[in-house]
Amino acid sequence: GENVEQHPSTLSVQEGDSAVIKCTYSDSASNYFPWYKQELGKRPQLIIDIRSNVGEKKDQRIAVTLNKTAKHFSLHITETQPEDSAVYFCAADLKTSYDKVIFGPGTSLSVIP
Amino acid sequence: SQTIHQWPATLVQPVGSPLSLECTVEGTSNPNLYWYRQAAGRGLQLLFYSVGIGQISSEVPQNLSASRPQDRQFILSSKKLLLSDSGFYLCAWIHRGRIPYGYTFGSGTRLTVV
Repeated sequence: GENVEQHPSTLSVQEGDSAVIKCTYSDSASNYFPWYKQELGKRPQLIIDIRSNVGEKKDQRIAVTLNKTAKHFSLHITETQPEDSAVYFCAADLKTSYDKVIFGPGTSLSVIP
Repeated sequence: SQTIHQWPATLVQPVGSPLSLECTVEGTSNPNLYWYRQAAGRGLQLLFYSVGIGQISSEVPQNLSASRPQDRQFILSSKKLLLSDSGFYLCAWIHRGRIPYGYTFGSGTRLTVV
């Protein structure tokens, strides 16, 4: 069935270091992969996304890569800052009749000053 | 611009009491609407989705129900709450054809059943 796995579940980095979160998906029909950031007690917010016809996308300190053959995609945050601390969710949009989005279980990122 | 409103922000309800959470979207028409639940420290579980007025589909069998009486209004209800219904409830919308296709979430309702 449809599934998105995400690793690691928790990640702690020193300020200024890089953080990498990896996800895999099961349904080869998926063609859109958004990433959400959820700060404590707040709603998830879309931070970056990638479509299946693109291998990499970058927006300032964050970048996403996609390997459609292997069904892997990753989030890279460089020069991490304390405000990057949050839970990050990867997701895969199955593009069914109602735009079903399957979320990974989340990664809790802590950036230590 | 499009906005999504969700209320109340917090709610404490006794076991066995009814529930009604409301979500409205402004600035768009014919959105797909979704209800998600997030247990403490956990991921996002899709509860219901709706592609139009009166069209509701359930992803997880439970004692909750949803209704869409108007194009931009989505309501989550329960006749009798259980302790396990506690959680952070999020409404989300997406406009088909909008690029990117990511969800926009409401601010959420934190429900505690006591």
